[in-house]
Amino acid sequence: AIQLTQSPSSMSASVGDRVTFTCRASQVVSSALAWYQQRPGKPPKLLIHGASSLQSGVPSRFSGSGSGTEYTLTISGLQPEDFATYYCQHLNDYPHTFGQGTILEVK
Amino acid sequence: QVQLVESGGGVVQPGGSLRLSCAASGFSFSAYAMHWVRQAPGKGLEWVAHIRYDGNNRYYADSVEGRFTISRDNSKDTVYLQMTSLRADDSAVYYCARDGDTYGLDYWGQGTLVTVSS
Repeated sequence: AIQLTQSPSSMSASVGDRVTFTCRASQVVSSALAWYQQRPGKPPKLLIHGASSLQSGVPSRFSGSGSGTEYTLTISGLQPEDFATYYCQHLNDYPHTFGQGTILEVK
Repeated sequence: QVQLVESGGGVVQPGGSLRLSCAASGFSFSAYAMHWVRQAPGKGLEWVAHIRYDGNNRYYADSVEGRFTISRDNSKDTVYLQMTSLRADDSAVYYCARDGDTYGLDYWGQGTLVTVSS
């Protein structure tokens, strides 16, 4: 099974900052990669699909990039509602594993 | 609007069984693959199972293979997760999610809590 490793596991930032998270796959996932945001007590919310496509309704400050085995999620200009946990997931084959998550906290 | 509503969670003893349901509305259910994803308390997301739009292809996480069965009834716009031989480490919030068919799960339910405890 393909393993996904997210880094960092947690980070602190301030409103207005630009932050980048990384997701590394143990094998090539051919851009079949999604990013989700999860706030406490809520279900995950799809942000990016197909590695770089912004999901409808998601603010344009979120962007995704990458290929092969390395992918990134960038938030440009953090807003208060962005402090949450972020997960990557591959959908290249089965099982569709998730990364362990990155917790974004207020500095 | 798209809605997914899970039900069927509860407290069950180790070794017991439970069937979860996820009722869909607001979209053409029979055209979409569906997934179950779970999250143990304080832990990350774990993908559990997938079923193709017509029910003909099903895939499972190794941790549930042979114990869980995903199914769907397109006439009822509902996807199910039959769980047997439950263990303490199956305790989690179980979410159903729609496969957006563009490499992402685009809609999620609010989840249903399963607790396996004696």
